[in-house]
Amino acid sequence: SQTIHQWPATLVQPVGSPLSLECTVEGTSNPNLYWYRQAAGRGLQLLFYSVGIGQISSEVPQNLSASRPQDRQFILSSKKLLLSDSGFYLCAWSVDTGTPEQYFGPGTRLTVT
Amino acid sequence: GENVEQHPSTLSVQEGDSAVIKCTYSDSASNYFPWYKQELGKRPQLIIDIRSNVGEKKDQRIAVTLNKTAKHFSLHITETQPEDSAVYFCAARRTGRRALTFGSGTRLQVQP
Repeated sequence: SQTIHQWPATLVQPVGSPLSLECTVEGTSNPNLYWYRQAAGRGLQLLFYSVGIGQISSEVPQNLSASRPQDRQFILSSKKLLLSDSGFYLCAWSVDTGTPEQYFGPGTRLTVT
Repeated sequence: GENVEQHPSTLSVQEGDSAVIKCTYSDSASNYFPWYKQELGKRPQLIIDIRSNVGEKKDQRIAVTLNKTAKHFSLHITETQPEDSAVYFCAARRTGRRALTFGSGTRLQVQP
């Protein structure tokens, strides 16, 4: 069966510091991968999605970037964090457009101080 | 782009009562409508979904209905239990697009 991992689980970073969050999927090939952000008590905002290695679509302009160096690895990065980057970052995967179910990873809770 | 509105933002019911959460979507080309349940501090979990070629789908105490003409869909939970307390999100996906557009969420509280 498919599983999705995210790390770290929690992170506290000062303003202006860099960020790297990692997501990996097991048990499937060529998944669609997504990064969402959820501010405290709010909804889910799609940040990036990827349909394959090196293919990244950005949904919201911001100081974040994403990369997909391997088929089942998705990385979210920032060169300089802002206070507004605090939130719950969720990675998700789906198979393809014919099977649209999307499943979330356990998330990373980021606090920017 | 797609816009999904969800109501109510909070809902409190007595244990055993029914709960209904409603969503409307803007893009008539949307064809997939999932519902997620998110408990405090946890990841959203897919609980039920419906595709545009079906009007209703049921799974034990939960059901989803879809009205394509009016572009709205609803989640129905019967015989609510305290463990149903969570935030529920609806979402919609346009044909040919992979990403979901989420509603703003409904905080459901089931009073024992």
